[in-house]
Amino acid sequence: QVQLVQSGPEVRKPGASVKVSCQTSGYRFTTSSHIHWVRQAPGQGLEWMGMINTGGGRISSTDRFQGRVTMTRDPSTTTVYLELSRLRSDDTAVYYCATESYGGNDNWGQGTLVTVSS
Amino acid sequence: EIVLTQSPGTLSLSPGERATLSCWASQRISSNYLAWYQQKPGQAPRLLISGASNRATGIPDRFSGSGSGTDFTLTISRLEPEDFAVYYCQHYGNFPWTFGQGTKVEIK
Repeated sequence: QVQLVQSGPEVRKPGASVKVSCQTSGYRFTTSSHIHWVRQAPGQGLEWMGMINTGGGRISSTDRFQGRVTMTRDPSTTTVYLELSRLRSDDTAVYYCATESYGGNDNWGQGTLVTVSS
Repeated sequence: EIVLTQSPGTLSLSPGERATLSCWASQRISSNYLAWYQQKPGQAPRLLISGASNRATGIPDRFSGSGSGTDFTLTISRLEPEDFAVYYCQHYGNFPWTFGQGTKVEIK
């Protein structure tokens, strides 16, 4: 049974950075497996941010973050990380990690609320 | 980037009624790489359908997906009380993956 457990809520000031972790269990890090990051601003819809290949570390992400997003993984602890820099108020959202199935995202973390406020 | 447009924004129905949700893509989605999710308040999304019409593990058969190309539909044959939620479509055929803006199914 695959489980994803994310780190706790964070509060940051504009311009700062935040790093969210997603620890997996029951999930194998291979060159064929990917973890995705999706965010949801308060009262808004889902926004796909990108994904990391857990085996080789290759990343694909949406252009809208203009180099502010870094995704990494630690195979020794089967944990992936999302770091978002130069935070703005509109980055306030719940950030989810999710595994990739044969179609879409089948297992999700519980979400991490990141609040950006001065 | 493929833009997904969902309709309607809100669907007001009673338990036992049929719900029909639409998702239109700005470009043809290859190999029907289209998924549907259900999300309830305070919860992570739950995968319902992948490949446009294949139910995910444990999803009741009252949920069905159809469509191809640019037009897709999620149908809930008879609404149960636990089905009132927000539903999203997502394409995963190429990067970047994108989501529709969601359809809220609320109790009438």
